Amino acid sequence: AQSVTQPDIHITVSEGASLELRCNYSYGATPYLFWYVQSPGQGLQLLLKYFSGDTLVQGIKGFEAEFKRSQSSFNLRKPSVHWSDAAEYFCAVGAHDAGNMLTFGGGTRLMVKP
Amino acid sequence: DTGVSQDPRHKITKRGQNVTFRCDPISEHNRLYWYRQTLGQGPEFLTYFQNEAQLEKSRLLSDRFSAERPKGSFSTLEIQRTEQGDSAMYLCASSLPFFNEQFFGPGTRLTVL
Repeated sequence: AQSVTQPDIHITVSEGASLELRCNYSYGATPYLFWYVQSPGQGLQLLLKYFSGDTLVQGIKGFEAEFKRSQSSFNLRKPSVHWSDAAEYFCAVGAHDAGNMLTFGGGTRLMVKP
Repeated sequence: DTGVSQDPRHKITKRGQNVTFRCDPISEHNRLYWYRQTLGQGPEFLTYFQNEAQLEKSRLLSDRFSAERPKGSFSTLEIQRTEQGDSAMYLCASSLPFFNEQFFGPGTRLTVL
């Protein structure tokens, strides 16, 4: 069965600083990987996805993520964080053989200092 | 608004009561998913439909839970004899088939007293 680990429960960065959120997955085949963001009281919004091809994927709001098969990782990065990026971020892996049901990590709560 | 909608947004009930939630997916999406999210955790998969067929159910979906999608459009999730442990956010998502992204609704927050 697939699993996702987000090692950092909370991260605080200063506005304008760079950001990296870690995600490690376990899946027996080539994974479909996703990053979602959830603001308070809001639903989940997709930031970016990896299905195949180029291992560096670009998403919305200036985010990018890099798939590293050797490390089973899919870390999310942003070069300069804005106060509006404060939210909860979830990494997820999709299962090909079960209707692409998603398995989520526990999430990382990002706080942004002015 | 052409996104996924869920109703109600909030539900407070007493232990032992039955509750039903509704999800309206994006109209052209034939896949519909239900997830549950407890405080401080990531969403957990409950079940999914392709058109009206329920194709996968998680072990989290006890006998007290039932989901339907009778005409392949909207879906309902019913919880019978609610327990305090059922308190959570219930999220619905929809997608086109074959590995496309899932679009999530705003969720229904259930509180069982």
